[in-house]
Amino acid sequence: AQKVTQAQTEISVVEKEDVTLDCVYETRDTTYYLFWYKQPPSGELVFLIRRNSFDEQNEISGRYSWNFQKSTSSFNFTITASQVVDSAVYFCALSEATGANNLFFGTGTRLTVIP
Amino acid sequence: GAVVSQHPSRVICKSGTSVKIECRSLDFQATTMFWYRQFPKQSLMLMATSNEGSKATYEQGVEKDKFLINHASLTLSTLTVTSAHPEDSSFYICSARPPRWSGRGLGQPQHFGDGTRLSIL
Repeated sequence: AQKVTQAQTEISVVEKEDVTLDCVYETRDTTYYLFWYKQPPSGELVFLIRRNSFDEQNEISGRYSWNFQKSTSSFNFTITASQVVDSAVYFCALSEATGANNLFFGTGTRLTVIP
Repeated sequence: GAVVSQHPSRVICKSGTSVKIECRSLDFQATTMFWYRQFPKQSLMLMATSNEGSKATYEQGVEKDKFLINHASLTLSTLTVTSAHPEDSSFYICSARPPRWSGRGLGQPQHFGDGTRLSIL
């Protein structure tokens, strides 16, 4: 069975601090995809990144970086020099290559960046 | 620009009313669309998978007769909440994914609509 765990329910940081959001997943598939989405207070889901199970290279995009480690089934997300606009709920999600490819979401981490 | 359009964005109506939510794929033909529900401060839970030209596949615990899904064309899926009650108040969000045969399907991020906030009084 598939499962995505985001153990951090809420995190508060002061602006300009770095923050890492944890994501641990479970799946029996050898081919799968991991995602991070941002949900600001307005509610829409903003796609941040997709990573397939065969690509363990870490990725950096501006202030965002992702650390994918298959050995620990983790796909952590780090925001460097956080800004108030980063305040949102962040969801980690898993999609398996078999089946309908629907997304399994973690419970989300609410990040509050304090000015 | 938006790849998936969802309408309406907000609905407030009386108990017993049926509410229809539309989800349109603007950039590609979507043979499969997904409907999620999100209660306040909770995660997104898949309600059903909408398949063009066939019946939707509902997740366990989701009432088919309560949440009617129609996917009559490759660009439109609708969710109708029938005889809505206050406990149906929630944030409903749809998503669409390019078909696998397009080469854009597998593993591509699902594109989400902006969601519909439904409030039943």
